[in-house]
Amino acid sequence: QKEVEQNSGPLSVPEGAIASLNCTYSDRVSQSFFWYRQYSGKSPELIMSIYSNGDKEDGRFTAQLNKASQYVSLLIRDSQPSDSATYLCAAPNTGFQKLVFGTGTRLLVSP
Amino acid sequence: DADVTQTPRNRITKTGKRIMLECSQTKGHDRMYWYRQDPGLGLRLIYYSFDVKDINKGEISDGYSVSRQAQAKFSLSLESAIPNQTALYFCATSDSQKRLTDTQYFGPGTRLTVL
Repeated sequence: QKEVEQNSGPLSVPEGAIASLNCTYSDRVSQSFFWYRQYSGKSPELIMSIYSNGDKEDGRFTAQLNKASQYVSLLIRDSQPSDSATYLCAAPNTGFQKLVFGTGTRLLVSP
Repeated sequence: DADVTQTPRNRITKTGKRIMLECSQTKGHDRMYWYRQDPGLGLRLIYYSFDVKDINKGEISDGYSVSRQAQAKFSLSLESAIPNQTALYFCATSDSQKRLTDTQYFGPGTRLTVL
């Protein structure tokens, strides 16, 4: 089992809808989680981090963490075509030596 | 100015050539990383360094070597390039003092093509 898993997509949503991106992880000791956005051919860009159970909101983005279920999600409200990108979930490995990345979910927002 | 820079941004080379990709950062971070990204395979860690004297292999280090010339500089070398090393290469940095809450910051990437 991969340490961080994501559905590769594509996830297609219409403009203005809520996009829900999901990520599961295998390491129960993971304490921090990160969501990156990556446009095609560009570098990953951090958009959200979350460390505690529950929700964390930043503008149109909400990260949700459920440590008991080993599940972290990213909600994008009022999705825009400019949100079309690949979203990477990441968590530190045991010992916090490096980040383990999922393979990413491709999001397509249609006008 | 960008905090993490990579040179060159694009490179086309031939099989067997030695190639060096360079990374510099002004973030003052002690940890630096090299990744490659291939379509459908996500980010794969090649090497990482926690300081100038601490260099570690990642999951795909064969065919690559690195040099940490200073805290701010971390170079990746392909001693004898082969076509399956064609990929997008990213350098990243992080701060060990914030390892629980901090994350990695990426450079703009180098697109390498080996013919």
